[in-house]
Amino acid sequence: DVKVTQSSRYLVKRTGEKVFLECVQDMDHENMFWYRQDPGLGLRLIYFSYDVKMKEKGDIPEGYSVSREKKERFSLILESASTNQTSMYLCASSLRTGSRNTGELFFGEGSRLTVL
Amino acid sequence: AQSVTQLDSHVSVSEGTPVLLRCNYSSSYSPSLFWYVQHPNKGLQLLLKYTSAATLVKGINGFEAEFKKSETSFHLTKPSAHMSDAAEYFCVVSDGGGLDTGRRALTFGSGTRLQVQP
Repeated sequence: DVKVTQSSRYLVKRTGEKVFLECVQDMDHENMFWYRQDPGLGLRLIYFSYDVKMKEKGDIPEGYSVSREKKERFSLILESASTNQTSMYLCASSLRTGSRNTGELFFGEGSRLTVL
Repeated sequence: AQSVTQLDSHVSVSEGTPVLLRCNYSSSYSPSLFWYVQHPNKGLQLLLKYTSAATLVKGINGFEAEFKKSETSFHLTKPSAHMSDAAEYFCVVSDGGGLDTGRRALTFGSGTRLQVQP
């Protein structure tokens, strides 16, 4: 069965701390994504990666960085957490089929981050 | 450029009555369209997808959606709501673009919360 695993379901951090959110998928997918979800705003793309060591900025990359050293793992990094980064973070992956991404995303269960 | 608008942030129905969740999209190319569902404290799960085959798409749990190009709509329906359908629903568009769209991401609507009253 398809699985995307996010390492932490709930985290509480202090302003200025460095935060790592880890995501692992076991489906050999090329594409991986990090979204943040806020009430009334839906999902907004932070970064995505289409291959190992490759990344592209999404709609709201400021204050975030990512790392993809292995195909199955995609990490989101908050270098210095701020209160406005309190949110639900969702990782997803998809298969790049031929030259068209049909777009079916497989999601993890989310990491709820609170920054005090 | 692409965008998607979910016309209702909240919809409330009684159990056993029909469900209609509305979605309009904008896309420069022939789009792929999706509906995802999110139950509380869970990730998103694909309900159904349209990728230029039949315009009426059937999904899981009795849901279906119809792609109407002339109206740029992709509304989600179900004939009879069940209590377990209470969740948040997201309409999503991917325009694919031209070559090598494997790197393209999706655009999500802001979500519709469905309440089902007993």
